[in-house]
Amino acid sequence: IAGITQAPTSQILAAGRRMTLRCTQDMRHNAMYWYRQDLGLGLRLIHYSNTAGTTGKGEVPDGYSVSRANTDDFPLTLASAVPSQTSVYFCASSDGMGDEQFFGPGTRLTVL
Amino acid sequence: SQQGEEDPQALSIQEGENATMNCSYKTSINNLQWYRQNSGRGLVHLILIRSNEREKHSGRLRVTLDTSKKSSSLLITASRAADTASYFCATDGYRGAQKLVFGQGTRLTINP
Repeated sequence: IAGITQAPTSQILAAGRRMTLRCTQDMRHNAMYWYRQDLGLGLRLIHYSNTAGTTGKGEVPDGYSVSRANTDDFPLTLASAVPSQTSVYFCASSDGMGDEQFFGPGTRLTVL
Repeated sequence: SQQGEEDPQALSIQEGENATMNCSYKTSINNLQWYRQNSGRGLVHLILIRSNEREKHSGRLRVTLDTSKKSSSLLITASRAADTASYFCATDGYRGAQKLVFGQGTRLTINP
């Protein structure tokens, strides 16, 4: 692993299903983030984590949950997917909050 | 809601010309960052400028920051086809937090 990885690359999901997007970094960064990117709306922060064991809500947290059991992993869970959650999801990490962020390649999610 | 807003939304120039993109923001910041996103990829950090800096250079990139006007500009000199991408500014300090807030981006097209 080099940098930050996300899985899956893309997914088509039926509405109402549960889905977990995975994110792993090997840079030992303290902070991690989840964004969604929608056409015309730019990137919007969903949830973030300052350090392992802590999480916080971003601009658009409803319908999403996260956990940060260790430094490297920061999964994003959609408990019951809805079509409005169709988007491209990016995970990012940084050494500290406000520092340069390193982004993963993204997960394209379609909820039907 | 967006803290940073880029202008123009789209820019098309000939290879070899200079490209200038602007970013305006609303509240006090600690730093401002510029990122590039190639189509279908994650964002890549370009440059970070702190609130006590007025200008910063990195290769063909020049960033200025005017905190009195709450604005920043990104200049790419001697543009190349490979510079075709979307460019985003990101600011921290919004609502007193250090989480980055991204603008909607400028789509730059370099014509050969």
